[in-house]
Order: sequence, then C-alpha cells, then structure tokens
Amino acid sequence: SQQGEEDPQALSIQEGENATMNCSYKTSINNLQWYRQNSGRGLVHLILIRSNEREKHSGRLRVTLDTSKKSSSLLITASRAADTASYFCATTGNTPLVFGKGTRLSVIA
Amino acid sequence: GAGVSQSPSNKVTEKGKDVELRCDPISGHTALYWYRQSLGQGLEFLIYFQGNSAPDKSGLPSDRFSAERTGGSVSTLTIQRTQQEDSAVYLCASSTTGQVAEKLFFGSGTQLSVL
Repeated sequence: SQQGEEDPQALSIQEGENATMNCSYKTSINNLQWYRQNSGRGLVHLILIRSNEREKHSGRLRVTLDTSKKSSSLLITASRAADTASYFCATTGNTPLVFGKGTRLSVIA
Repeated sequence: GAGVSQSPSNKVTEKGKDVELRCDPISGHTALYWYRQSLGQGLEFLIYFQGNSAPDKSGLPSDRFSAERTGGSVSTLTIQRTQQEDSAVYLCASSTTGQVAEKLFFGSGTQLSVL
C-alpha cells in the first residue's frame, strides 16, 4: 500500500508556536501532497512536493521529503487559531491519491 | 462551475433504502474521484473516472455500490439497500486530466446517515 500515515494523530499548540506533522509511506512515489480539512468536509490542497525535491516552501508552510526514509514533514510556522484543522498527506504512484488518517491540529489562542 | 458541487449536503435515510449522491465537477476537468470518510478516519478511495469510463473501481466496498458519469461531467454514486455501516461523508473530487502529479479539488461532501 502507498498509504501515508501521519504522526502525531493529534497536536495541540499555542498560537504563535510552530506545528510539525510527519508522514510516512511504504512504497515509491511520484509526488506527495498535503491537504487541509476543516470541520470534516472538503479538503483543500496545500502543497505538492515531487519525488526529486527535498524541500518546498509556501507562505508559512514548509514541506520536506526524504525518499530514503519514505517520510515527509509539514511545518506550519507562527501558527494561528485559523490553522486549526486536520492535515492529511497523500501519495501518488500509479494509482489515484491515497490518503492517511490525518493529524488533528488545534491552535489555542 | 466555480468549484466542485455535491448534493445533497446531508442525507438521512432508513436502512434498506437506496440513495443517490451527486457530484458536479469543475467545468473541463476530465478526472473525477469518489472517496468515503468515516468519522475521525482518513479518506477511503472508492472509484475514479477518466471521462465517462472508470479505469479503477477497486475501492467500491460491495456490489451495493455503483457509480456512473455521463457527458464527461456529472457523476452519481448509488448505494442500494443501505446499511448502517454506510454512514459516512462521501467526498467527490476532480482534477484537470487525471495525471498522477495533479492536485485534486474537493467538494464539501455529502453526510450520509443511515438509521
């Protein structure tokens, strides 16, 4: 299975702190994507990192990818209450996106 | 349309009834996906369409589940003889061409509750 597994399952931090979420997967991938889900409904794409990339930035988001360890991390810097959501990694190989169970992030004001 | 539209947003049904869930993808997107998410869980892949054909039906949980897509646009997911374990949020997504490197655009989902 190419399913990503996020760690931790839940994370609670104070506003202004950084939040780091990790994702591990099992097989080779073409790319890895991170999505955000508010209130258990539709997911929103955050960032995509290709298998030949090691790090990517987008605003307050920083994603790293280590293909030797089959792992990725998502860092949200200077978190805000509005960042409270579930975050999912998703991997692609030759099949549609396969999602992990997500990390539930709570940012306390 | 401006985004992926799903209807109804909520559906309550009795065990044994059939339900139809509708997805209207972003105009021009050729690939369409159905996922299911049970409470507090990740997304479970159900089926994927490229145009009107479904090259990957591997995720459909049973023969009670079927889906079709017509005109390369709207898709309907049908669940026959619903069971309580079918209760979940059903999410639809679309992408431009269905290539593996693409991002998906999701609808807001249909919350299905089977009593």
